Amino acid sequence: QAVVTQEPSLTVSPGETVTLTCGSSTGAVTSGHFPYWFQQKPGQAPRTLIYDTSNKHSWTPARFSGSLLGGKAALTLSGAQPEDEAEYYCLLSYSGVLWVFGGGTKLTVL
Amino acid sequence: EVQLVESGGGLVQRGGSLRLSCAASGFIFSSYSMNWVRQAPGKGLEWVSYISSSSSSTYYADSVKGRFTISRDNAKNSLYLQMNSLRAEDTAVYYCARFDSAWGQGTLVTVSS
Repeated sequence: QAVVTQEPSLTVSPGETVTLTCGSSTGAVTSGHFPYWFQQKPGQAPRTLIYDTSNKHSWTPARFSGSLLGGKAALTLSGAQPEDEAEYYCLLSYSGVLWVFGGGTKLTVL
Repeated sequence: EVQLVESGGGLVQRGGSLRLSCAASGFIFSSYSMNWVRQAPGKGLEWVSYISSSSSSTYYADSVKGRFTISRDNAKNSLYLQMNSLRAEDTAVYYCARFDSAWGQGTLVTVSS
């Protein structure tokens, strides 16, 4: 069973840039894992920010971007805003038969 | 607007059964694979099950394999999760999700011992 790892917590100052990463116990994360990034605020359902590594929705703020970086999937937030404080989860697909979430990154904007 | 609305959650005794439903709207439901995801109180997200657009393929997390069954009715734009032999550790909010774009609001399942 694959394990997907994320930073448990990160803190960023308003206006600064932070990168969240998503690694796999099976090796490098590739586009074939179709990395997803979800944002979840307390008491709310998750919301899809990024799909298939770097694709955004109309509701995804432009300051969020997805990429592959050093064998991991990455979510970069450029110019953090107070409303970006949330839990962020990545999701990887393994051969289209198994999906595994990371443990989540609690992002604090302070 | 893509919308997913779950229903069917509630309190059930250990060993009991429950059927969750998810009503989809705002997109061509029959063209998309769907998933169930759960979140235990205070915990992270856990993928539960996947079904392809035509129901030809279904997959399950090891934690629910043999106990849960995912299904869909494309004519009714609906997704289902039949949960049998429920355990205390199945207590969670259950979400239906089209991972690339939409999540429901979730329905709470509580398994009492």
